[in-house]
Amino acid sequence: AQSVTQPDIHITVSEGASLELRCNYSYGATPYLFWYVQSPGQGLQLLLKYFSGDTLVQGIKGFEAEFKRSQSSFNLRKPSVHWSDAAEYFCAVGAISGGYNKLIFGAGTRLAVHP
Amino acid sequence: DGGITQSPKYLFRKEGQNVTLSCEQNLNHDAMYWYRQDPGQGLRLIYYSQIVNDFQKGDIAEGYSVSREKKESFPLTVTSAQKNPTAFYLCASSIDPGAVAKNIQYFGAGTRLSVL
Repeated sequence: AQSVTQPDIHITVSEGASLELRCNYSYGATPYLFWYVQSPGQGLQLLLKYFSGDTLVQGIKGFEAEFKRSQSSFNLRKPSVHWSDAAEYFCAVGAISGGYNKLIFGAGTRLAVHP
Repeated sequence: DGGITQSPKYLFRKEGQNVTLSCEQNLNHDAMYWYRQDPGQGLRLIYYSQIVNDFQKGDIAEGYSVSREKKESFPLTVTSAQKNPTAFYLCASSIDPGAVAKNIQYFGAGTRLSVL
């Protein structure tokens, strides 16, 4: 079955520190992978996506993610975190199910940033 | 400004009452979606629509209904049959549901529904 696992429910980092949020997926075919960010009480905003090609993808707000097929992972990284990055982050895989394309989301990782 | 507008931002439901959440988009997208978000569970798909006058059940459709009479609009009704409606509801849209690579979904700001 298709699924997305985000092992870390909460992560706390200091401002200026580096960040890595983990994402593992289970999908039989070539995955289409996404990272979204959600500020409190708001909708989701797309940070970046991977469809094919270069396995290191750049996104908005200084984020990047690396696709590793051998590890079924698509981890999100940022070299230096800002206080405004505090939010909830969702990894998702695009899948075909029942004749339509759907997004399967992980449970999310809530990021707190200490000053 | 193109985008997805959800209203109201907060909604309260009494026992036995049906309530309707509004979702309007001006992105000219064909596909629209409704998700339910509960703490620690990510997003779960309630209903989706690939085209006007057509919609399909998602993973948790019981207790919900939708209509798609216009391309721009995809209202969700939470019926009295939904026994645990308290959640954050998100509407999304995408250009073309027929191709995964084009299924980048854009989200509204959400409606928080609570039971009185």
